[in-house]
Amino acid sequence: GESVGLHLPTLSVQEGDNSIINCAYSNSASDYFIWYKQESGKGPQFIIDIRSNMDKRQGQRVTVLLNKTVKHLSLQIAATQPGDSAVYFCAEMGGKLIFGQGTELSVKP
Amino acid sequence: DTAVSQTPKYLVTQMGNDKSIKCEQNLGHDTMYWYKQDSKKFLKIMFSYNNKELIINETVPNRFSPKSPDKAHLNLHINSLELGDSAVYFCASSPQQGGLGEQYFGPGTRLTVT
Repeated sequence: GESVGLHLPTLSVQEGDNSIINCAYSNSASDYFIWYKQESGKGPQFIIDIRSNMDKRQGQRVTVLLNKTVKHLSLQIAATQPGDSAVYFCAEMGGKLIFGQGTELSVKP
Repeated sequence: DTAVSQTPKYLVTQMGNDKSIKCEQNLGHDTMYWYKQDSKKFLKIMFSYNNKELIINETVPNRFSPKSPDKAHLNLHINSLELGDSAVYFCASSPQQGGLGEQYFGPGTRLTVT
């Protein structure tokens, strides 16, 4: 069946380091992908999106990479800050929006 | 100003009861959603409405009934609550239909069924 999964359920990084959160998807027909950030006790918040006709998109301190060949998506956060601590979700759109399991990012000061 | 608001934030009730969760967005969006997030943080869409019309209805028990009195409101009514309904329910809205583009989520309603 269709699924979106993450390689690492938890990720701990040192403040100032770069973070990489990975996501695998199985629906090759998916043509739109989104990353969301969810802080404790809050709703998910949009970070960045990318369409399947692109392989890279940059935002403020964040970069999303899409590798359609291996159906892999990643979110890179530069100079990770304590405020980046949250659960990160990837989501794919292939007819409907499907969210992945989530990766908890913990930033150590 | 809160873009997407939900009430109540916490809801504790017993099995068999009927309860409602209200959602309002002041963003002028045409599309609204309800999501369920379980204890493992898994987030799954339940319903999607566009301009008061039901667009997406996932495999959700018919005990769950969304109601959209106008395009700024999407309420969720749940009949005969069960233990498995315990979760955090999120309302969201977006300017585009079909899940494309940014969705704006509410703060969530934590439902606990005892």
